[in-house]
Order: sequence, then structure tokens, then C-alpha cells
Amino acid sequence: GAGVSQSPSNKVTEKGKDVELRCDPISGHTALYWYRQSLGQGLEFLIYFQGNSAPDKSGLPSDRFSAERTGGSVSTLTIQRTQQEDSAVYLCASSFGIGAGTGTDTQYFGPGTRLTVL
Amino acid sequence: RKEVEQDPGPFNVPEGATVAFNCTYSNSASQSFFWYRQDCRKEPKLLMSVYSSGNEDGRFTAQLNRASQYISLLIRDSKLSDSATYLCVVNHPGGSYIPTFGRGTSLIVHP
Repeated sequence: GAGVSQSPSNKVTEKGKDVELRCDPISGHTALYWYRQSLGQGLEFLIYFQGNSAPDKSGLPSDRFSAERTGGSVSTLTIQRTQQEDSAVYLCASSFGIGAGTGTDTQYFGPGTRLTVL
Repeated sequence: RKEVEQDPGPFNVPEGATVAFNCTYSNSASQSFFWYRQDCRKEPKLLMSVYSSGNEDGRFTAQLNRASQYISLLIRDSKLSDSATYLCVVNHPGGSYIPTFGRGTSLIVHP
């Protein structure tokens, strides 16, 4: 079946511009996560959506970052007034649920969007 | 203490070798444990889930030691294609439901 998809695969933008990154989770998956990964670094959690609950935004690095998830499916991560330090790979993952120890919390990742801010 | 810790390596081994990585976690209530593989400039891909004492998939064996709070990944008969970064992931019920990722262990298999 179809996996997690993300678009665009690459985005080059100028400092100060806004960008939107899109994630299409696996159909039926209720949980959706955004991470970013800078070159040679580990995954940095950004935001998490679960069903109709309020998202957990605890990982967003600044108020320039926001995300929404429409209809419990597609999610968009928006970065306003991009800075050079925003350059990274932005990864989206989805899972069937969130039940630790049940198997439903296994995450599947999309291919990522490589963002370069000039 | 970090929630999930891994030796970053790199582990540099010859083809055919057996290699093992450990991952320690701090939350004793953790219930879900995973190993992911990440190739350079690619997304993490699920390698194995570990829900009980351990499981095996071909050349790969994952084990869980709850008493000492670590999971391990054993790779037998290493192949050049096993070269990658191996990420440990831990989740616990009743928390924020955000799985915690280790920084990864780099494996390089050489001819």
C-alpha cells in the first residue's frame, strides 16, 4: 500500500520567505509527527497530532513554525520568515495509534523535504 | 541522564563479522522499543520492533533487558549493505506519546 508521502522533496528559498511543507500520512493512521534533522544530527521532534486532540507543539523551536492537520489526514508545516538555521530535512511520520506496547505506535516515515535557506 | 542513549560509534567491522549495539533508556515504564535503520540522506526505516524479551529476523536479533533497561541489536554475518546508522526508539504509555529517539549508532562494514 501507499506509504507516507511528502512534498516537495526539495525546497530552496531565500531568507525571510515563508515555506509550506506537506505530509500525506498512511491512510487510516491517526497519529502524525513532524521532525527535523540537520546534517549529521539526530531527529528533533517538532509537533504531533493525534486524532481530534489538540496537537502537542512542545517541540516547535519558535513561533515562526506552525502546523495544521486538516480532516485528520494531510498536514502542512509552515515556516514563516525562514532563517538559514532552518535549513534541514523535515521528516513526517505516521502511526496507526499511540498505544505503547500494542504495536499501534510503530512509526512510518516519509522521504522528507530537504529545505535549504539561502 | 538522557532518556535514550546510544554509542554513536562508528563501529567499523569486516564483512562476515558479528556486531552488537546497545541502547539504554531511563524510563522504567517504557513499553515499546524499536530499531530503525537510516541510510545517509534517507528517512529512517523500521528494522525491528521489540515487545517482549526479544525477537529474531534472519541475521538480526533484538533483545530487551527490562531489569537493566536496555535493548540490544545483534547483526550476524555482516554485509556491506548493512552499513548505516541504527536508531533506537523507546515509547512509554501515559506519557506524551512522543516516541524518544536515540542519536543513532553508525555501522561501517568494510570488505
